Amino acid sequence: GENVEQHPSTLSVQEGDSAVIKCTYSDSASNYFPWYKQELGKRPQLIIDIRSNVGEKKDQRIAVTLNKTAKHFSLHITETQPEDSAVYFCAASTGTASKLTFGTGTRLQVTL
Amino acid sequence: SAVISQKPSRDICQRGTSLTIQCQVDSQVTMMFWYRQQPGQSLTLIATANQGSEATYESGFVIDKFPISRPNLTFSTLTVSNMSPEDSSIYLCSASEGVATEAFFGQGTRLTVV
Repeated sequence: GENVEQHPSTLSVQEGDSAVIKCTYSDSASNYFPWYKQELGKRPQLIIDIRSNVGEKKDQRIAVTLNKTAKHFSLHITETQPEDSAVYFCAASTGTASKLTFGTGTRLQVTL
Repeated sequence: SAVISQKPSRDICQRGTSLTIQCQVDSQVTMMFWYRQQPGQSLTLIATANQGSEATYESGFVIDKFPISRPNLTFSTLTVSNMSPEDSSIYLCSASEGVATEAFFGQGTRLTVV
């Protein structure tokens, strides 16, 4: 089955700096890669996603890049703010199953 | 976007008993899933809830322990059977409207087994 690795496990940045989280996946058939943000005690919420036919997608301060050849994808957050502090999960899904395999998570802390 | 209501939000149960968690979606969805999340950990898929047929379980999860129902396109239940302290976790319902589309999550059920 699919295996998703995520790095780093924790990340501390100063407000205004950029943050980058990286994930690799094992199944070359995976075709959908969402990123979720989970605040303490809350449900995961989608912040951005990318499909395998696209190499990059951007939404304001958030961007995701996908390298299908290397089987890795990354989340980029620019101009970080304290409210960006949370745990971020990458995920991958394959074909028509739509079930998600999640990475191990990255705890992002944005300090003033 | 789909709104998912899950209940109970939390429960404390005696070992050996069973708990049924309900998941209600405010619109018809194609896919429904059940995940488990240990505090501070990632999400692990338990099973895909199939409408009108048996759920599809992931490796390490069995129907006798986690029976799942999905009688229609908006509702599903997960039962945690014969509970032990190792079953203490957060259980999350998820739904998506199609292949490679956003998956929405319920608020989770925090289960403590004593």
